[in-house]
Amino acid sequence: EVQLVESGGGLVQPGRSLKLSCLASGFTFSNYGMNWIRQAPGKGLEWVASISSSSSYIYYADTVKGRFTISRDNAKNTLYLQMTSLRSEDTALYYCAREVAVATLFDYWGQGVMVTVSS
Amino acid sequence: DIQMTQSPPSLSASLGDKVTITCQASQNINKYIAWYQQKPGKAPGLLIGYTSRLVSGIPSRFSGSGSGRDYSFSISNVESEDIASYYCLQYDNSPRTFGGGTKLELK
Repeated sequence: EVQLVESGGGLVQPGRSLKLSCLASGFTFSNYGMNWIRQAPGKGLEWVASISSSSSYIYYADTVKGRFTISRDNAKNTLYLQMTSLRSEDTALYYCAREVAVATLFDYWGQGVMVTVSS
Repeated sequence: DIQMTQSPPSLSASLGDKVTITCQASQNINKYIAWYQQKPGKAPGLLIGYTSRLVSGIPSRFSGSGSGRDYSFSISNVESEDIASYYCLQYDNSPRTFGGGTKLELK
């Protein structure tokens, strides 16, 4: 059974940093591209970042480019999102999601981890 | 970026009704649209890919159609377990973009 479990969220002040993790199991992690997708409270879904299976290709939404860094450790079956210079508008539930194939639809999602940016 | 205009934002239905949600893309997305269901407090779940391909295990009362810029998603014979929010996703172009969502409620 595919499982994606996010961790690392919490309350952080504006301008500070936070690192999210997503531990994957139930599939060969190194064969799949992975993504972070977020959902602000009561709002819709926004794709944030993606990374290919071997980390060769990395993409970011314009809203986070230069502030967020996606990475992965295939030996540890773990996806990361390093978030810096956090803003109040980054407050959201962050999901990690597997993509079926490169730059296609997302087939499995974690349960999400909440990030709240507030003073 | 491709904009996905999803309507209606909310929908009220009775059990057994047929409901339809539409998504219009700002440009041709070549049928690369997926539909997700999100129940309160849960992660989105994939229902349909490539316009009309039902994911294994998803009931046949869910369906999708469309081409070019215009796509629709329908639920025939709405059941209580279908009460959720629904989102479309275009994956023809990067960045992948979602529609604004449709909240389905019971009348």
